[in-house]
Amino acid sequence: DGGITQSPKYLFRKEGQNVTLSCEQNLNHDAMYWYRQDPGQGLRLIYYSQIVNDFQKGDIAEGYSVSREKKESFPLTVTSAQKNPTAFYLCASRPWTGGGNTEAFFGQGTRLTVV
Amino acid sequence: GENVEQHPSTLSVQEGDSAVIKCTYSDSASNYFPWYKQELGKRPQLIIDIRSNVGEKKDQRIAVTLNKTAKHFSLHITETQPEDSAVYFCAAPYSSASKIIFGSGTRLSIRP
Repeated sequence: DGGITQSPKYLFRKEGQNVTLSCEQNLNHDAMYWYRQDPGQGLRLIYYSQIVNDFQKGDIAEGYSVSREKKESFPLTVTSAQKNPTAFYLCASRPWTGGGNTEAFFGQGTRLTVV
Repeated sequence: GENVEQHPSTLSVQEGDSAVIKCTYSDSASNYFPWYKQELGKRPQLIIDIRSNVGEKKDQRIAVTLNKTAKHFSLHITETQPEDSAVYFCAAPYSSASKIIFGSGTRLSIRP
């Protein structure tokens, strides 16, 4: 089933609270990614990490933070600074060959709702 | 800038007809162009990809063509079936290939 697991599947958060979304992979992939998907919209890149202890901002990083302390884990924290956090969040991973021409595998997603 | 433009945003075709979705990218160094299919409520999954050293790739009813000079690539689905109804995304790598940027998606509907 792809070997990449996101939890929880559904998450409710009160305004003003931080929340952390989990993403774990057992595929031994070097690169990991977080995308945000709004209804009827595409996948927008939040953060990505090519190797352990290194990560880069994507196109919509404001209000989010990540860490990459272990190769298999890439948690995403949605902070209270994110003005419109309600969305579907997708984590992905892929092998890094140096050429970038490898398939990305996605987790099943976390649907975050701010109440 | 780093972007991938995808057209059309919605597409409705009669069952059995063909569907074509087009994408353009901006980084001439991009060398890998995947297409993903996302069914309702599910994760995106790769359906076909093409590398920059070829111009066309086929897999049964699905084909992808690449024009590196014009920086665009297209997905072709022939003999469409109801199970082809989904959202399709193209993608391209940027920033020395470590960053993957997706198109905005095409919602394909197959009419019976």
